[in-house]
Amino acid sequence: EDQVTQSPEALRLQEGESSSLNCSYTVSGLRGLFWYRQDPGKGPEFLFTLYSAGEEKEKERLKATLTKKESFLHITAPKPEDSATYLCAVPTSGGYNKLIFGAGTRLAVHP
Amino acid sequence: GAGVSQSPRYKVAKRGQDVALRCDPISGHVSLFWYQQALGQGPEFLTYFQNEAQLDKSGLPSDRFFAERPEGSVSTLKIQRTQQEDSAVYLCASSLGGMKETQYFGPGTRLLVL
Repeated sequence: EDQVTQSPEALRLQEGESSSLNCSYTVSGLRGLFWYRQDPGKGPEFLFTLYSAGEEKEKERLKATLTKKESFLHITAPKPEDSATYLCAVPTSGGYNKLIFGAGTRLAVHP
Repeated sequence: GAGVSQSPRYKVAKRGQDVALRCDPISGHVSLFWYQQALGQGPEFLTYFQNEAQLDKSGLPSDRFFAERPEGSVSTLKIQRTQQEDSAVYLCASSLGGMKETQYFGPGTRLLVL
């Protein structure tokens, strides 16, 4: 069964304290892994797509990496405005882009 | 508009009422998805359209849920005889339609059934 698990469920950081969020997945034939950011009361906002093991993508203080079984979202020197829930998702093995999401990691960055 | 829009943003319904939720996808996007998000959880797939064709409705929780996209653009998710367990955020997403295309989400409709 296709599955996505994120950890930790919640993370509290001090401003400037770097850390990583984990997304582990089980799917037949990975066709991409998507990272989204979701602020309270809003829809998920697209961050990155990774397609193959070893691939990395960066955007400001965020860097996403991918292995054959998991992805990491590294946050370097976070700021309070990075506080949000971070979701990862993979397309199911059944075809097209029906996404399976993890439950998310709620990140709080305090000044 | 530049993004996906949804209306209403908030809906309060009495148990047993019918509701209709609207999604306006990004112009030119072929694929349209509906997801349901419970509090503290990730979105869960409900249904998928390619143009006006509903190709997958495997995630719809019951026959009280119905979705349509008659002209291949705007979509409506209808819930008949709402129940308390239908309370959730309903998200719409659209994409260009290819296998690897990114889905862009709207702000969601928060439904509360009393």
